[in-house]
This record gives sequence, C-alpha cells and structure tokens, in this order.
Amino acid sequence: DVVMTQSPLSLPVTLGQPASISCRSSQSLVHSDGNTYLNWFQQRPGQSPRRLIYKVSNRDSGVPDRFSGSGSGTDFTLKISRVEAEDVGVYYCMQGTHWPPILTFGPGTKVDIK
Amino acid sequence: QLQLQESGPGLVKPSETLSLTCTVSGGSISSSSYYWGWIRQPPGKGLEWIGSIYYSGSTYYNPSLKSRVTISVDTSKNQFSLKLSSVTAADTAVYYCARGGLDYWGQGTLVTVSS
Repeated sequence: DVVMTQSPLSLPVTLGQPASISCRSSQSLVHSDGNTYLNWFQQRPGQSPRRLIYKVSNRDSGVPDRFSGSGSGTDFTLKISRVEAEDVGVYYCMQGTHWPPILTFGPGTKVDIK
Repeated sequence: QLQLQESGPGLVKPSETLSLTCTVSGGSISSSSYYWGWIRQPPGKGLEWIGSIYYSGSTYYNPSLKSRVTISVDTSKNQFSLKLSSVTAADTAVYYCARGGLDYWGQGTLVTVSS
C-alpha cells in the first residue's frame, strides 16, 4: 500500500511570509502514462476540502497564484509565497497514481497564524 | 456549475447500516468519464477515501472497508449512494461525496453512530 506522509504536521506562519509543506510517498507516483497524480487540498475550518493543485503543479481554477506545487517521484512540496489570513486551515496531499485500486491522503498539515 | 449534496440519517445505531445518497446537479453522472466517490472524516481527524463508482456501476473500495461497503449509482435520478454495514462508533464522521478527481465536493454530512 502507498503511504503518504507530510511534514510538518503543524505550521505556525507569519502573515505575509512564505510557507512550505512537504509530502512524501512510500512509492513512486509516476504513472505508467507518464503523469504524476499528486494533488493538494485545502480545508478551511468548518468547510469541505477544496482541491488547489492537481498533477503536482497545476493550479485549479480560482486558486491564487501564491500557491504553487512542485516535486517528482516520491517528494513533493506545496508552497505559499505570502501567507494571508484566509490560508488558515489544514492542507492534505493525495496520491491518485495508484488508483485504481486506492486513493490515499496524507495526514494533513495544520497552518495557522503566529 | 456542478453541485453535489449528501443526504441521509444523521444518527445510526451500532451494528446497523449507514445509508447516504449524493445528488448531483448541474451535470449528468453518466455524460462524463468521471468516477464518483465517497470520502469521510472523523471528528478532528484526516480524510479517508471510502470508494468510488463509475456510471456503468464499476466500483473500487478502500480495502480497509471493503467487506462492509457498497456503493451504487442511479443514473435516472443522477444520484449515487453509500451503504456501510455493521457500523460502530469508529464510523462516526463527516461523510463527503465528490467527483472522481475530487475537484467538486459536497458540503458533507455528519453521521453519528450511537445507541
């Protein structure tokens, strides 16, 4: 089974400063079709998750360009160039490369303001 | 704009079957090449994928829940449904439905397992 890990699990940040979250998978996320199905989700307090990034680095519609994704193979990063108050929440990475048969989420990283 | 809405009982007794339905509006379940899925989140915890279904009825389930899960689809009603049998308190969670790539989510519904 693919295991997803994230670090840190808690990230206090200063408004206007950058933030970075790491996601690692126990197996390569390069699919046989050449794509890497690694997504990032944001879950604000009391809200449903929202997909921010798909296939490592592609921002979903409406996602501010201060969010960026990078990485390859088993190591991935979500970066926020300048944290805003609305960015508070929990961020999850998720692999879809090994689906079927399974989608796997990371444990989540809680971002809050110092 | 695609919208998904979960519905079903908010309270289920231990050992009984949890049943939820997701109604899709703003698009047809059967007119696209997406799977449709269920994800849950226990209070204060992370996300867990439960399973997914294609409009044709093809399904995939999380191995950890496979023995207790059934997902079905009703294209005439533009709905798909989740049944989770033999529930315990550990199944208490917010249950979300979502489109295959998880680009569209419902608002979630809290299901509590308690006598």
